[in-house]
Amino acid sequence: GAGVSQSPRYKVAKRGQDVALRCDPISGHVSLFWYQQALGQGPEFLTYFQNEAQLDKSGLPSDRFFAERPEGSVSTLKIQRTQQEDSAVYLCASSLGRGGIIDTQYFGPGTRLTVL
Amino acid sequence: GQNIDQPTEMTATEGAIVQINCTYQTSGFNGLFWYQQHAGEAPTFLSYNVLDGLEEKGRFSSFLSRSKGYSYLLLKELQMKDSASYLCAVRDRDDYKLSFGAGTTVTVRA
Repeated sequence: GAGVSQSPRYKVAKRGQDVALRCDPISGHVSLFWYQQALGQGPEFLTYFQNEAQLDKSGLPSDRFFAERPEGSVSTLKIQRTQQEDSAVYLCASSLGRGGIIDTQYFGPGTRLTVL
Repeated sequence: GQNIDQPTEMTATEGAIVQINCTYQTSGFNGLFWYQQHAGEAPTFLSYNVLDGLEEKGRFSSFLSRSKGYSYLLLKELQMKDSASYLCAVRDRDDYKLSFGAGTTVTVRA
């Protein structure tokens, strides 16, 4: 059984470039999350999907950040006009999301974004 | 909002026991998770507490006191491979979002 996969694992962008980060959740997982992790810090919530519906985007730091999950499986996090403060590891997590008590979130390895 | 505190670093000897404390102040609470994260890797799930008390899983145990807003992760019989960051995370009452502490880096020395 494959876990959560993310691509690319590393991305270097020049300031002002647009980037797209991909997440493949565990098959059958309804819920999908994006987190941002700065160096030496814990992950910070960005956004949450239940199937294709984006139910919470309160953590997106600016309108340059956009996430989608059009068919309820693969998700893409897009950052437009990247800035140096966007440099971080972007983690994707998925969970069954079917009302289970624990509903553990399983994380991918992340994409390390460096903006020069 | 959530305010989650845990120590930045801890060092222990191989074979010893280490206890990582986590305190939280949250606007809502629906469970506390501990994750292990090796450098450059994904956080991996270790334990979950939603009721007060101790949950034991092999060498790892986790304790929760909801009235005190307090949890700890106990690592027994430490091995070199346990050197990692340990993240405390609280799930809010909306039942999906996790709020993480900054993580505790544990270094196991021979």
